[in-house]
Amino acid sequence: NAGVTQTPKFRVLKTGQSMTLLCAQDMNHEYMYWYRQDPGMGLRLIHYSVGEGTTAKGEVPDGYNVSRLKKQNFLLGLESAAPSQTSVYFCASSYHREAGANVLTFGAGSRLTVL
Amino acid sequence: KNQVEQSPQSLIILEGKNCTLQCNYTVSPFSNLRWYKQDTGRGPVSLTIMTFSENTKSNGRYTATLDADTKQSSLHITASQLSDSASYICVVIYTNAGKSTFGDGTTLTVKP
Repeated sequence: NAGVTQTPKFRVLKTGQSMTLLCAQDMNHEYMYWYRQDPGMGLRLIHYSVGEGTTAKGEVPDGYNVSRLKKQNFLLGLESAAPSQTSVYFCASSYHREAGANVLTFGAGSRLTVL
Repeated sequence: KNQVEQSPQSLIILEGKNCTLQCNYTVSPFSNLRWYKQDTGRGPVSLTIMTFSENTKSNGRYTATLDADTKQSSLHITASQLSDSASYICVVIYTNAGKSTFGDGTTLTVKP
């Protein structure tokens, strides 16, 4: 089983460029999430989706957009990259919201550098 | 503000030794607390989940404890192995909406 797959694994952008990170899960999970992880800080939720065609803002949504056109895919877009968006991005998925015994399955991460 | 604080920030131990990692939180209302292990270059993987009524939960050599009154949790690793070298993240889930707050993590290095 592939679980949660993120592409690309590494990317270097120049300020102002745009890009899209792709997350794909093969577990038929309803919920999907995008986090960013910065040195010395815990993972912070950017956006999440509770089902196909739905998205919602998380803790740090500014500068990012997302789409969930298919249940298995969750895309994270940067329209105009800024150096502050240099980070490691993690996608995660779960059957339901992270309550009770429901756990998140994370991807391996995508390291983005904005020059 | 809901916060999760972990200590120590980093820890180095010898293979075979035990260690304890700490997690203090101010999150309210509390739903459950999780410990994740994150290997270098990988995503976090769940180790344990504890609800408000649980005091301890074990997963092999990992034992997590929870004191909901003092809002403290600990992760005890017994007979450490080189493969235990990783970052350990405490996550507190609050409200029925499943919102979560992640700690910064403790980086554990196990040396031979």
